[in-house]
Amino acid sequence: GAVVSQHPSWVICKSGTSVKIECRSLDFQATTMFWYRQFPKQSLMLMATSNEGSKATYEQGVEKDKFLINHASLTLSTLTVTSAHPEDSSFYICSALGGDPINEQFFGPGTRLTVL
Amino acid sequence: AQSVTQLDSQVPVFEEAPVELRCNYSSSVSVYLFWYVQYPNQGLQLLLKYLSGSTLVKGINGFEAEFNKSQTSFHLRKPSVHISDTAEYFCAVSVAGNQFYFGTGTSLTVIP
Repeated sequence: GAVVSQHPSWVICKSGTSVKIECRSLDFQATTMFWYRQFPKQSLMLMATSNEGSKATYEQGVEKDKFLINHASLTLSTLTVTSAHPEDSSFYICSALGGDPINEQFFGPGTRLTVL
Repeated sequence: AQSVTQLDSQVPVFEEAPVELRCNYSSSVSVYLFWYVQYPNQGLQLLLKYLSGSTLVKGINGFEAEFNKSQTSFHLRKPSVHISDTAEYFCAVSVAGNQFYFGTGTSLTVIP
């Protein structure tokens, strides 16, 4: 089956630093990837839709200058949390769109970000 | 607009008992339906999906779900749960395989 990886799986950083999270589709090409944020005991909140070769589409309320998304190739999308603060601590999950005959989302294992 | 409702936020059930996790959706167009499971500190794993055809769908780990168009439901069931089934379960609908909408999740706790 389709596999999506995320790196790192867990990152701890100081307030004010920037953190980059990678999302890779390992055995298929994904023109579209999604980035979600999940707070404890809550559902996934869609942050943005990342399309290869174009600007990401952000959901309402998500700061695009805070959460920089780059989809440079058909197998890689990155999310950079700029000048991270403790309130940015969360579980970030990416997914890649693929499948035949119907698109479905294949999820990465998630990245836990802890900002001190 | 589409929406997904998972009526039960928490479901405790004894080991080896049957369980049903409810999911209702609202949509004016045809949708595809999915159930995902999330174990602690992990991503989402697909349990099963309904695209077309038979309304009873069987998935992994002994789970199944039935699509009921008239009731706009896609309830997840398992006849006998195990401790390892303790996890968060999410129902999702997709329109044309592009837009995905998730429910708020149901936390299943299997009691020994």
